[in-house]
Amino acid sequence: EAGVAQSPRYKIIEKRQSVAFWCNPISGHATLYWYQQILGQGPKLLIQFQNNGVVDDSQLPKDRFSAERLKGVDSTLKIQPAKLEDSAVYLCASSLALTGSSGANVLTFGAGSRLTVL
Amino acid sequence: GQNIDQPTEMTATEGAIVQINCTYQTSGFNGLFWYQQHAGEAPTFLSYNVLDGLEEKGRFSSFLSRSKGYSYLLLKELQMKDSASYLCAVMDSNYQLIWGAGTKLIIKP
Repeated sequence: EAGVAQSPRYKIIEKRQSVAFWCNPISGHATLYWYQQILGQGPKLLIQFQNNGVVDDSQLPKDRFSAERLKGVDSTLKIQPAKLEDSAVYLCASSLALTGSSGANVLTFGAGSRLTVL
Repeated sequence: GQNIDQPTEMTATEGAIVQINCTYQTSGFNGLFWYQQHAGEAPTFLSYNVLDGLEEKGRFSSFLSRSKGYSYLLLKELQMKDSASYLCAVMDSNYQLIWGAGTKLIIKP
């Protein structure tokens, strides 16, 4: 089966500019996650979708970050305006299980989008 | 608050055995995951434990003690390709994953 697709792989922008990342999850996976991973740290959940509804966006900086998952398939994450501290890898993941239906909910990650803000 | 603790870095020799520990304090427990992450790559799933005891999968084994809030990942017959970060994650009572910062494992010949 095809994996989780993400683009772009790398992006360099200046602070106050905007950027968008795209993710296409594994076909049939109901749940989609966007994580931020700063070098040397574990992934931090930004937003979790189940189909096209938001399950958890409590850690999403909503003044500058936005995400959508139209039609319950692919998703975009946007940052506007970017700050220096947004430099990180943005990981998209998907899982087959519905939230709360199973503890054995294995996430499959995409290769990530590395953002550098200058 | 919720917390996952892992050593920041470990070094081991090719062919040897290494144990990576993870302790956790979370609101409820619905399972513990180990993921492997090579530098510059995405995390990949290694193991899942929800009951106490040892789960063995080839050269890798994972152990869980829920009463102690403790898990370890055991890697045997280490190979150079095992050099990576190992992430421990716990699913809490709301089925949300709480991630550790990861343990960077360095394998020396």
